[in-house]
Amino acid sequence: DSGVTQTPKHLITATGQRVTLRCSPRSGDLSVYWYQQSLDQGLQFLIQYYNGEERAKGNILERFSAQQFPDLHSELNLSSLELGDSALYFCASSRGDQETQYFGPGTRLLVL
Amino acid sequence: QKEVEQDPGPLSVPEGAIVSLNCTYSNSAFQYFMWYRQYSRKGPELLMYTYSSGNKEDGRFTAQVDKSSKYISLFIRDSQPSDSATYLCAMQAGTALIFGKGTTLSVSS
Repeated sequence: DSGVTQTPKHLITATGQRVTLRCSPRSGDLSVYWYQQSLDQGLQFLIQYYNGEERAKGNILERFSAQQFPDLHSELNLSSLELGDSALYFCASSRGDQETQYFGPGTRLLVL
Repeated sequence: QKEVEQDPGPLSVPEGAIVSLNCTYSNSAFQYFMWYRQYSRKGPELLMYTYSSGNKEDGRFTAQVDKSSKYISLFIRDSQPSDSATYLCAMQAGTALIFGKGTTLSVSS
């Protein structure tokens, strides 16, 4: 158990809908990262927050957004969902910026 | 050319075998090199973390980095059925981890 928690574990929704994924980092960790894992693309970095501020962006679609709250938990919002958004979404956390990242168990999203 | 290349396998070995997993990369800015293990339907779990060229050993696992050849390896000695998983190499130059696509390993008893 990495200490990173993610909810929900599974999510099934329809195209065009909006969902919110939640992540709680390990105790004491200030950075939260979001990754998407699909069969064809592998594990890809989406976005990082450090102590409430956006720190880095990767291959994140404009339909996706994230935020980190004062208690350091983070939410990833996915809107106007498409079939191709079906994937595993992982959150990771680290103590500081650019330090070892520990991954949560993931949220499996299925868009029908 | 992808930044990180990893043979997806699958790789099947008998229990007790030595396993070699490899990744090549093209970005010479990568400074940190990691191996993660991912069991089916679970999150990636950090196995090894290295910074410089050379070897790092942890129990049955040895990570090797050759920056001059842009090549990293993970060796598993005395492989066990519990080692059956997908192994992901990851590299870091700044914030984001850049992952290989993973090699699926199956160890049969």
